[in-house]
Amino acid sequence: GENVEQHPSTLSVQEGDSAVIKCTYSDSASNYFPWYKQELGKRPQLIIDIRSNVGEKKDQRIAVTLNKTAKHFSLHITETQPEDSAVYFCAASTRGDKLIFGTGTRLQVFP
Amino acid sequence: DARVTQTPRDKVTEMGQEVTMRCQPILGHNTVFWYRQTMMQGLELLAYFRNRAPLDDSGMPKDRFSAEMPDATLATLKIQPSEPRDSAVYFCASGLGLWDYNTDTQYFGPGTRLTVL
Repeated sequence: GENVEQHPSTLSVQEGDSAVIKCTYSDSASNYFPWYKQELGKRPQLIIDIRSNVGEKKDQRIAVTLNKTAKHFSLHITETQPEDSAVYFCAASTRGDKLIFGTGTRLQVFP
Repeated sequence: DARVTQTPRDKVTEMGQEVTMRCQPILGHNTVFWYRQTMMQGLELLAYFRNRAPLDDSGMPKDRFSAEMPDATLATLKIQPSEPRDSAVYFCASGLGLWDYNTDTQYFGPGTRLTVL
């Protein structure tokens, strides 16, 4: 079955710097890769997703890149702000099937 | 703004008691997922349904857990008997499950925080 690895487990950056979180997946049939942000005590919320027919997607300060050959995808946050502090999860699935989540990255943005 | 709802939000119970958690998916969504989140295991899938039919419950301890969808607007997760190791946050998520139409995004409910003493 699918296995998703996520790195790093914790990430501390200064406000205004960029943050990059990386994930690798094992099942070459996976074709949907969402990223969720979870604040303390809250539900995971989708922030961006990418499908296997594109290599990059951007939404304001957030971007995701996908390398199907290497089977890895990354989340890039530019100009980080304190409100970006949260746990970020990557996930992979196949055609609307179950999501397999990475283990999460705790991002702290210091003012 | 349609949202997945879950009840109860918090549940404290004693070991051996039955626990029932409920989820109302977003109207029109045909796929419902149950996830469990703990510090040690992260987010793990327990079971999921499409058009009310169970598709995969391999992540669920079947001797004590059961998941059902009595109708399209209600999904339930039951634990009987509950044990302290079941303490976790249980999330329900729903989606349209139609990759070909770019509508397979999963939307999470607020979760049920379960504590088994």
